[in-house]
Amino acid sequence: GAGVSQSPSNKVTEKGKDVELRCDPISGHTALYWYRQSLGQGLEFLIYFQGNSAPDKSGLPSDRFSAERTGGSVSTLTIQRTQQEDSAVYLCASSPRQILYNSPLHFGNGTRLTVT
Amino acid sequence: LAKTTQPISMDSYEGQEVNITCSHNNIATNDYITWYQQFPSQGPRFIIQGYKTKVTNEVASLFIPADRKSSTLSLPRVSLSDTAVYYCLVGGSGSQGNLIFGKGTKLSVKP
Repeated sequence: GAGVSQSPSNKVTEKGKDVELRCDPISGHTALYWYRQSLGQGLEFLIYFQGNSAPDKSGLPSDRFSAERTGGSVSTLTIQRTQQEDSAVYLCASSPRQILYNSPLHFGNGTRLTVT
Repeated sequence: LAKTTQPISMDSYEGQEVNITCSHNNIATNDYITWYQQFPSQGPRFIIQGYKTKVTNEVASLFIPADRKSSTLSLPRVSLSDTAVYYCLVGGSGSQGNLIFGKGTKLSVKP
């Protein structure tokens, strides 16, 4: 079946502009995560959605970052007034349910964001 | 939250067995240990998951000692296509938010 889909795959924007990154999780997956990966680095947690619960926003680096998940499916990560240090690959992952045993994370291939 | 520590890099040759160890001293009672593989320009991909002792699937084995403060991913007879970054993730109990990935181990397989 279809995996996690992210769009666009690449985004180049000018410093100060706003950007929106989209994630389509696997159908029926209730948990959705956003991670950021800078060049050559590990994965930095940003935000987590689980069903209708309030999202865990503890990883968002500043108030310029926000995310929504509409109807428990598609999620959008918005970065306002982008800065050069926001340049990174933004990865989305989903899993079937809250408990991760036998329901590991399924990742998309990410959106590579370049801020010039 | 359980923090993980892995070697930054490892080198191996085709056909050898590779063992990558992850330390997680403050693992919680209900936490699981999951390993992911990441190729360039792709998202991480699930390899194997375990709670204790040994787990084996078609691609790898996972060894977890009784105290669960570490785990070892074993890749039998690696090939060039196993060159990737391998991440150890500890979590899965209680709140699922803020799953912390370590910095990963970059495995380079040489011919």
